[in-house]
Amino acid sequence: NAGVMQNPRHLVRRRGQEARLRCSPMKGHSHVYWYRQLPEEGLKFMVYLQKENIIDESGMPKERFSAEFPKEGPSILRIQQVVRGDSAAYFCASSPWGGRQETQYFGPGTRLLVL
Amino acid sequence: SQQGEEDPQALSIQEGENATMNCSYKTSINNLQWYRQNSGRGLVHLILIRSNEREKHSGRLRVTLDTSKKSSSLLITASRAADTASYFCATDPQTGGTSYGKLTFGQGTILTVHP
Repeated sequence: NAGVMQNPRHLVRRRGQEARLRCSPMKGHSHVYWYRQLPEEGLKFMVYLQKENIIDESGMPKERFSAEFPKEGPSILRIQQVVRGDSAAYFCASSPWGGRQETQYFGPGTRLLVL
Repeated sequence: SQQGEEDPQALSIQEGENATMNCSYKTSINNLQWYRQNSGRGLVHLILIRSNEREKHSGRLRVTLDTSKKSSSLLITASRAADTASYFCATDPQTGGTSYGKLTFGQGTILTVHP
């Protein structure tokens, strides 16, 4: 059973470009969480999705950021018109039921560098 | 200060010694989880302790939870050089409604175990 997969592992973008980060949850998991980790800091929650639904996007910036988890395919975190402050590691995690008392399984992360 | 703060920020010990890391939080929680992150890598789940539990063991790991003091500790016994990593506590706060398992992370403790 493969773990959570994220790609790309490293992504370099110039200011103003778009970044697309992909996350494939573990098999059988239908709940995905995205977190951002700035250098020397802990992870900050961004968004929680179920298949075809955004459940909680309270941690996601209102502008330039969007997320989706389609019926088929991976979850996508999209950052439009990237700025240097978007440089960070972006992790996704998945769980089977999305409720409390559940372990979240994290992917290896995508490290975004904005030049 | 933020939910889930680890103490100390950095800990340096010799192989074979025990390492203790502490975590404090502010709001009531459903559970508290500890994760390990090796440099430049993803997070590995170590242990989950529920709010009605006081102590939990897993191999060389021992976690305690004191909900009256809103604190938790992670003890690694007989440490090894391979334990060198950053350790994060993450809380699943009670929100009064449906809990989605939205984790709040601290900034982590950097543990260095010297051979």
